[in-house]
Amino acid sequence: TQLLEQSPQFLSIQEGENLTVYCNSSSVFSSLQWYRQEPGEGPVLLVTVVTGGEVKKLKRLTFQFGDARKDSSLHITAAQPGDTGLYLCAVYDRGSTLGRLYFGRGTQLTVWP
Amino acid sequence: NAGVTQTPKFRVLKTGQSMTLLCAQDMNHEYMYWYRQDPGMGLRLIHYSVGEGTTAKGEVPDGYNVSRLKKQNFLLGLESAAPSQTSVYFCASGDRLETQYFGPGTRLLVL
Repeated sequence: TQLLEQSPQFLSIQEGENLTVYCNSSSVFSSLQWYRQEPGEGPVLLVTVVTGGEVKKLKRLTFQFGDARKDSSLHITAAQPGDTGLYLCAVYDRGSTLGRLYFGRGTQLTVWP
Repeated sequence: NAGVTQTPKFRVLKTGQSMTLLCAQDMNHEYMYWYRQDPGMGLRLIHYSVGEGTTAKGEVPDGYNVSRLKKQNFLLGLESAAPSQTSVYFCASGDRLETQYFGPGTRLLVL
């Protein structure tokens, strides 16, 4: 069973469209991170959300942490080809003996010109 | 600062061959990690280190060994490569457990 479920797995849209991707879990987390991974590169941290209901904006990207701190969404307004990439959510799994980041499987976004 | 660098960028191995992947960071981070990324599987932790001279197993450690002889370097070894180890390998480092900076990856093909 996946700790984090990301949906959709794939998303292909035209430039200028809006989109939302989701990261869901049945567990409660103290914080959640979103990464973007461009083709041929490693993941890069976009944002960390820590408070239930928190909304953070990064230019055209809006991140929201669910009130119950079990889920999160990423909304992109007026998508551009430069937004193309794999979007990963991750949580710090304090419950494991490893105390490590646990990643979802990601949403692969393609934005066509 | 170069951040996290990985060597080599790409490698092709035959089954049974051995190799070492090198990760170097210049941010004086205590924590370092090795992940593998496979299609549809996301990032899976292989081994990690919480400081110089220490290593620990992650989620998928079988077939791999690691060493952290110097704080800035974290080596991942494959003693006898198998086709199932074909993957993209990412190294990461961080100064806190919940913050990681990733390298550009090493693409490994085992024939």
